[in-house]
Amino acid sequence: GAVVSQHPSWVICKSGTSVKIECRSLDFQATTMFWYRQFPKQSLMLMATSNEGSKATYEQGVEKDKFLINHASLTLSTLTVTSAHPEDSSFYICSARDLGATALAKNIQYFGAGTRLSVL
Amino acid sequence: SQQGEEDPQALSIQEGENATMNCSYKTSINNLQWYRQNSGRGLVHLILIRSNEREKHSGRLRVTLDTSKKSSSLLITASRAADTASYFCATDGSNTGKLIFGQGTTLQVKP
Repeated sequence: GAVVSQHPSWVICKSGTSVKIECRSLDFQATTMFWYRQFPKQSLMLMATSNEGSKATYEQGVEKDKFLINHASLTLSTLTVTSAHPEDSSFYICSARDLGATALAKNIQYFGAGTRLSVL
Repeated sequence: SQQGEEDPQALSIQEGENATMNCSYKTSINNLQWYRQNSGRGLVHLILIRSNEREKHSGRLRVTLDTSKKSSSLLITASRAADTASYFCATDGSNTGKLIFGQGTTLQVKP
């Protein structure tokens, strides 16, 4: 099955620093990846859609200068939390679709294991 | 924005019992999916049902879809302790591939 690798799985940083999270599709190409944020005991909130070779599409209310997304290749998207502050502490999850899959399977999203960010 | 609502929010049952979770959504959809999330982990896809389907089975899972009521249910039969997790429905109503997730149901299966 399709595998998405996300790392780091856990990061602690000081307030004001930047943190980069990587999301890789290991055995398929993903022209589109998605970044979510999840608060404890809550659902996933879509932050942005990452498009290979073009700018990411951000959801309403998500600061694009705060959460920089780069999708430089068909297998890698990165999310950089710039000048992180304690309120940015959260669980960040990426996902990707395998557009090489059969028609119905193209709708399935494969998720990374998530990154827990703690900003001190 | 989150458009799905799920109930119950939490469910606790004994091993061997069936677990039913419900999901409601607001807009028209192309398909509806169910995902499972173990604590502190990513989500795993369970099953997809298309908008023109009413019921689908996969192993111990049974999903129903009622587009007139904009609702879906996930039934897990003969539950096991390993089924303990959070379960989310997700709807795909556009051609962008974006999924809108429900609030989730936390299932605890006691051995």
